[in-house]
Amino acid sequence: QSALTQPASVSGSPGQSITLSCTGTSNDVGAYNYVSWYQQHPGKAPKLIILDVSNRPSGVSNRFSGSKSGNTASLTISGLQPEDEADYYCSSYSTSISLLVFGGGTKLTVL
Amino acid sequence: QVQLQESGPGLVKPSQTLSLTCTVSGGSIREGGYYWGWIRQHPGKGLDWIAYIFYDGFAKYNPSLQSRATISMDTSENQFSLNLASVTAADTALYYCARVYGSGSRAFDHWSPGTLVTVSS
Repeated sequence: QSALTQPASVSGSPGQSITLSCTGTSNDVGAYNYVSWYQQHPGKAPKLIILDVSNRPSGVSNRFSGSKSGNTASLTISGLQPEDEADYYCSSYSTSISLLVFGGGTKLTVL
Repeated sequence: QVQLQESGPGLVKPSQTLSLTCTVSGGSIREGGYYWGWIRQHPGKGLDWIAYIFYDGFAKYNPSLQSRATISMDTSENQFSLNLASVTAADTALYYCARVYGSGSRAFDHWSPGTLVTVSS
């Protein structure tokens, strides 16, 4: 069982905006602004798309944005495109002995 | 552009030690501000971090694997390595090496392609 909770699957239509959630505790998501998001296409390595809650690495589309409220972080994808279909994982730095925790991932399907 | 490539056996017998090496190109592992780490992914499952290390040897381990994992660096070869002792079938996974931001989120910003390691007799 993963430390952070993500919905197993979400779906959306091209052009739509969709938000993925990542729920933790006051020891991780709620403790710091240190949440990251990764996108993973089948058979590929994960790709960092958001760090420190809302910062996009160079080269990542501005259709991806991150936010946080309390113990829940969110990833919003606007203008959904077919190539956005992938697995999305969140992670957070933690005050616990675990140091770094991941979510179980959300499978995004673009209908 | 930093690139990482892991190498090592794809098949390890139970109770033996899994050994993987990650070679970094396009950047130096002595570069300040970054750790270098290992992550694994069981087939069809999520991501688990294993360990990360700074160029001076300072390392952090996932407590669930700390008793069996050892991460090390060879700065002369621009490589870092993972040893995981006493493996079982539960260690069968896709193993990635990655560069890690040294502060904040500890985000993994550059990844290797991944190598499947199977534990089987």
